[in-house]
Amino acid sequence: NAGVTQTPKFQVLKTGQSMTLQCAQDMNHEYMSWYRQDPGMGLRLIHYSVGAGITDQGEVPNGYNVSRSTTEDFPLRLLSAAPSQTSVYFCASSYSSIQETQYFGPGTRLLVL
Amino acid sequence: EDKVVQSPLSLVVHEGDTVTLNCSYEVTNFRSLLWYKQEKKAPTFLFMLTSSGIEKKSGRLSSILDKKELFSILNITATQTGDSAIYLCAVPFYGNKLVFGAGTILRVKS
Repeated sequence: NAGVTQTPKFQVLKTGQSMTLQCAQDMNHEYMSWYRQDPGMGLRLIHYSVGAGITDQGEVPNGYNVSRSTTEDFPLRLLSAAPSQTSVYFCASSYSSIQETQYFGPGTRLLVL
Repeated sequence: EDKVVQSPLSLVVHEGDTVTLNCSYEVTNFRSLLWYKQEKKAPTFLFMLTSSGIEKKSGRLSSILDKKELFSILNITATQTGDSAIYLCAVPFYGNKLVFGAGTILRVKS
């Protein structure tokens, strides 16, 4: 199993550009989530999904969209990038919404100029 | 508001030292507390604690939960340079949404 994979590893955007961060898992996990990590602030939940076709907002959802058309994939879209979205983004998954142990992808480092 | 607070924010020790990392929480409907270790990339799971007073151990690492006082500690004995990392504490709320503390940056000097 590849586990949780994320692409790209690193991306530079200009303010106003849009892009999609990809996340995939091959563990047949129902629950997937996106976090951002900023210095001194730990990880903060952006959006999450409890299964295909179901998504919901986390703590810091503004400026981001998600969709979950398949169990395996959970892309995160930045609609109009802003410098405040410069961060490291982690995707995570777990078997179900009540199994707390989550497995994290390697992260995407995003720089918005 | 649910929150998780870790202390200290950073720590520098020498190899062989013992360290104690702290995590306090305020979460409604507490179910569990998780510890993760983050080196250069993704956080990796260390422990999940659900019962008060029961120590979880893995090699030189151990953790215990106090549900009455709403905190957990992570101990690392005989530290090694490979223990240098960010240690994250997290508590799930409303299903599986994790609230993370800011983390403790541990640096072990040889």
